[in-house]
Amino acid sequence: NAGVTQTPKFQVLKTGQSMTLQCAQDMNHNSMYWYRQDPGMGLRLIYYSASEGTTDKGEVPNGYNVSRLNKREFSLRLESAAPSQTSVYFCATDVRSDTQYFGPGTRLTVL
Amino acid sequence: LAKTTQPISMDSYEGQEVNITCSHNNIATNDYITWYQQFPSQGPRFIIQGYKTKVTNEVASLFIPADRKSSTLSLPRVSLSDTAVYYCLVGDPGGYNKLIFGAGTRLAVHP
Repeated sequence: NAGVTQTPKFQVLKTGQSMTLQCAQDMNHNSMYWYRQDPGMGLRLIYYSASEGTTDKGEVPNGYNVSRLNKREFSLRLESAAPSQTSVYFCATDVRSDTQYFGPGTRLTVL
Repeated sequence: LAKTTQPISMDSYEGQEVNITCSHNNIATNDYITWYQQFPSQGPRFIIQGYKTKVTNEVASLFIPADRKSSTLSLPRVSLSDTAVYYCLVGDPGGYNKLIFGAGTRLAVHP
């Protein structure tokens, strides 16, 4: 039982490149989330998915797209990466929205 | 949205009790108070949650006064491994986009 897994762990992109961050959970939860965390800051919600087939914008959605592929998987796509998107990205799932389980994170650097 | 205020940083020594207070003056009737812990290079980890009075688990205690406008996370006899950032969150369990992670409190435990 791995909980929440994320791939890749690290990624370096050049400005304008695209990539998809993958997240999977084996906890059979309906809700999944994507956050970003900039150095020394708290987490900010990018997108969330209350259930399979639904997605909604969070606090900072610009520059990102998401796909809730099935109940287990929730991916985050950067179509044209920018240096401002350099951050650590965390995926999470929950039993209820105030009790969330986080993945190990993806460290993304955009040059 | 309920906003929380907590100290930016705290220092302690091994074996001491640490109390971190969070104020949330605008807490709503349906809101619960949740604390997360984040170690460097890891995602946040749920540690305790409460609605009113006192809650205790194997990791910490949470004290909530009757007016619920503040809460105190108590860590008994801290060790070096308790060095982390602690986040206080207030939210409605049904409100998917209502969790706000602020900058948290950086706790440094010294030998």
